[in-house]
Amino acid sequence: KAGVTQTPRYLIKTRGQQVTLSCSPISGHRSVSWYQQTPGQGLQFLFEYFSETQRNKGNFPGRFSGRQFSNSRSEMNVSTLELGDSALYLCASSRSGQGNTEAFFGQGTRLTVV
Amino acid sequence: DQQVKQNSPSLSVQEGRISILNCDYTNSMFDYFLWYKKYPAEGPTFLISISSIKDKNEDGRFTVFLNKSAKHLSLHIVPSQPGDSAVYFCAASFASGTYKYIFGTGTRLKVLA
Repeated sequence: KAGVTQTPRYLIKTRGQQVTLSCSPISGHRSVSWYQQTPGQGLQFLFEYFSETQRNKGNFPGRFSGRQFSNSRSEMNVSTLELGDSALYLCASSRSGQGNTEAFFGQGTRLTVV
Repeated sequence: DQQVKQNSPSLSVQEGRISILNCDYTNSMFDYFLWYKKYPAEGPTFLISISSIKDKNEDGRFTVFLNKSAKHLSLHIVPSQPGDSAVYFCAASFASGTYKYIFGTGTRLKVLA
């Protein structure tokens, strides 16, 4: 069974640009969540999608947005990139998206903003 | 406001001994807790979870203990192996709510051969 796939694995962007990251969940999983990992900050929740609807959103500025398609694949977009957006962005999928189930993470996309 | 805290950034343990990783939380409404392990350049891997209706859950070498009155959980690894060297994250969520984990900042475990 294929795991969670994130593309690309690495990205280098310039301040002010925008970026789109992609996540393909495990087959049959309808919930996709996104997290930002920076040194010393752990994993910070960005948002969660289920059946193309955003159900939960973390405390990030509006420059961070996402969407989910009918096949459960999800994209995350960051506009007007800032140096502080450099991080590892992780996507996780779960079957139901209920809080008492484990989620499975992809390998992440390492974004570097210069 | 860090609702889930892992106060030890790092821990070193001899191979074969017990590793104890600690996690504290502030929100008494959390009722589901998980531990994830992360190797460099990989995504976090689920290890073990516990519901707030229990105080202990075991899976092979891994045991998680939950002390609700102290708002504290711990992960015990016995015996520790060099392959266990990784960063360990604890996470908390609301079992009846929609999916959203609150993670701690992680503890880097190094198991010495």
